[in-house]
Amino acid sequence: DAGVTQSPTHLIKTRGQQVTLRCSPKSGHDTVSWYQQALGQGPQFIFQYYEEEERQRGNFPDRFSGHQFPNYSSELNVNALLLGDSALYLCASSASGRPRYNEQFFGPGTRLTVL
Amino acid sequence: QKEVEQNSGPLSVPEGAIASLNCTYSDRGSQSFFWYRQYSGKSPELIMFIYSNGDKEDGRFTAQLNKASQYVSLLIRDSQPSDSATYLCAANTGNQFYFGTGTSLTVIP
Repeated sequence: DAGVTQSPTHLIKTRGQQVTLRCSPKSGHDTVSWYQQALGQGPQFIFQYYEEEERQRGNFPDRFSGHQFPNYSSELNVNALLLGDSALYLCASSASGRPRYNEQFFGPGTRLTVL
Repeated sequence: QKEVEQNSGPLSVPEGAIASLNCTYSDRGSQSFFWYRQYSGKSPELIMFIYSNGDKEDGRFTAQLNKASQYVSLLIRDSQPSDSATYLCAANTGNQFYFGTGTSLTVIP
């Protein structure tokens, strides 16, 4: 049973550039959430995708956008990168059929460094 | 603002002892609560979740929830050096998870 996968593992960009991160959910999951985790902090919710729509969004600027594909995989796009965007980006998947429990399983993450 | 608070630690316990990790949350609308373990440089790994008042046991782990006090805890019995990690508490409200900053646990052999 494949777990959540993310690519790439590491990425180095310069300020002002754009980046796309990718995520494939765990088998049987249809909901994908994205988080940003700065060093020494807990994950911060960016947004969640379900049925190819952004269902909920955290307190992140419009520079952060996403997409979900029919096969439930997802992309996170960040435009006009800032130094403060350097962080571990985590994708988590869950199954919509378990709304009360709503366990989320995380992928290995993408380490983004902005220079 | 919805918040989850954890004591950042570090918490040190000897091998074989019970480690107690605590968490409080501010949103009474939170429906379920999760404990994740995160090793340095790795992603969070789900340990267990709880949504009813009381205790829930899974192997060496016991989660406790008190909704009246807005308090969640995780007990780790017979702590092992491999349990040394950061433990994240999360509250689920609707479609969003709110995480604490984590408690660093060190189990001393």
